Amino acid sequence: DAKTTQPNSMESNEEEPVHLPCNHSTISGTDYIHWYRQLPSQGPEYVIHGLTSNVNNRMASLAIAEDRKSSTLILHRATLRDAAVYYCILRVNAGNMLTFGGGTRLMVKP
Amino acid sequence: KAGVTQTPRYLIKTRGQQVTLSCSPISGHRSVSWYQQTPGQGLQFLFEYFSETQRNKGNFPGRFSGRQFSNSRSEMNVSTLELGDSALYLCASSLEGRRTNEKLFFGSGTQLSVL
Repeated sequence: DAKTTQPNSMESNEEEPVHLPCNHSTISGTDYIHWYRQLPSQGPEYVIHGLTSNVNNRMASLAIAEDRKSSTLILHRATLRDAAVYYCILRVNAGNMLTFGGGTRLMVKP
Repeated sequence: KAGVTQTPRYLIKTRGQQVTLSCSPISGHRSVSWYQQTPGQGLQFLFEYFSETQRNKGNFPGRFSGRQFSNSRSEMNVSTLELGDSALYLCASSLEGRRTNEKLFFGSGTQLSVL
């Protein structure tokens, strides 16, 4: 399975931008990069996905390196509600057999 | 649109018993997949159903099984429960699960405790 590497944890101050990195050096040309987050006591929640170009939506931005071997999820202004575990996942094959790594636990300080 | 609904939210069973968990996907979604989440192993894929057929299966023993009904609702069953089966069981649905840019929508899960 295509693997991703993320830091175990990161800390941010409220109202500041947060950059969550992900390495995926074995990515193939057709693999999509997806980000999900899991708030306490909830199931994972879709955040954003992309293939080659940078992507923006109302929740976050996704910056993808030119060689696609890494990406960064950007939360423009962290709030306390953004405290969660963020998972970077490569969608390799059709079918919903996702491989979740350990993710990054984001802590937001008031 | 209602989200993915899982019932029950909490369940307590004893070793050796069996359990059935239920998942109602988002209306119009035909792919339903199941995941197990434990503190030690994290989130692990169990199986995926599409059009009442199992399409993918993870690396779990045969005690774990599932099925999907014609209305896309799904159930998973665990027989002969072991202490290690204590986990949060998550269900996710998507339109068809055929494209790698497709989003998954997860339910809040069923927390199973085996005593």
